[in-house]
Amino acid sequence: NAGVTQTPKFQVLKTGQSMTLQCAQDMNHEYMSWYRQDPGMGLRLIHYSVGAGITDQGEVPNGYNVSRSTTEDFPLRLLSAAPSQTSVYFCASTKAGTPNYGYTFGSGTRLTVV
Amino acid sequence: AQSVTQPDIHITVSEGASLELRCNYSYGATPYLFWYVQSPGQGLQLLLKYFSGDTLVQGIKGFEAEFKRSQSSFNLRKPSVHWSDAAEYFCAVGIQGAQKLVFGQGTRLTINP
Repeated sequence: NAGVTQTPKFQVLKTGQSMTLQCAQDMNHEYMSWYRQDPGMGLRLIHYSVGAGITDQGEVPNGYNVSRSTTEDFPLRLLSAAPSQTSVYFCASTKAGTPNYGYTFGSGTRLTVV
Repeated sequence: AQSVTQPDIHITVSEGASLELRCNYSYGATPYLFWYVQSPGQGLQLLLKYFSGDTLVQGIKGFEAEFKRSQSSFNLRKPSVHWSDAAEYFCAVGIQGAQKLVFGQGTRLTINP
């Protein structure tokens, strides 16, 4: 089925480890974003991309890197995991030029850093 | 700076009762407004959206929302809730041509049988 696919669904990391959260969409959407969801804080934007080769920081970018080499993929890298990065991470995508189209969200990655 | 406020963290209503979830936004330009619903352990599903035109918009699952520019509000309503409506609801504003979304803190809805 078409949509946004995130892997893995669950992950436990030790402090200081690195990992990459994968996000892929097959809808040819230009815009892609990463959010983290924490209780009582809604969803906060980490990084976003408006097309291949173009990325920018969101509200809470520290400790995370992204790249966008293809339209389909937008991986999120944790360079050195910290307990404060324990969260649920969502990837989302939408079409450019249609601001009221609405974002499609993946099912999330639940990350625990111990 | 742009922001979205959902004043109610948790609301409990009885099944069959009416529902209104509040959302206020702060954004200098024309807002693109969205309501999303999240069931436990799930991703976010788009309920409805507003950009222009009729200020009362209809969405899925019997929900509607009304845009009031003078009050900077975009409240979500449903005439009669069902137990399956129990979830968390998020209001969001799209900025920079919706290159990114700014979310409210969310409202958790509990339904009493």
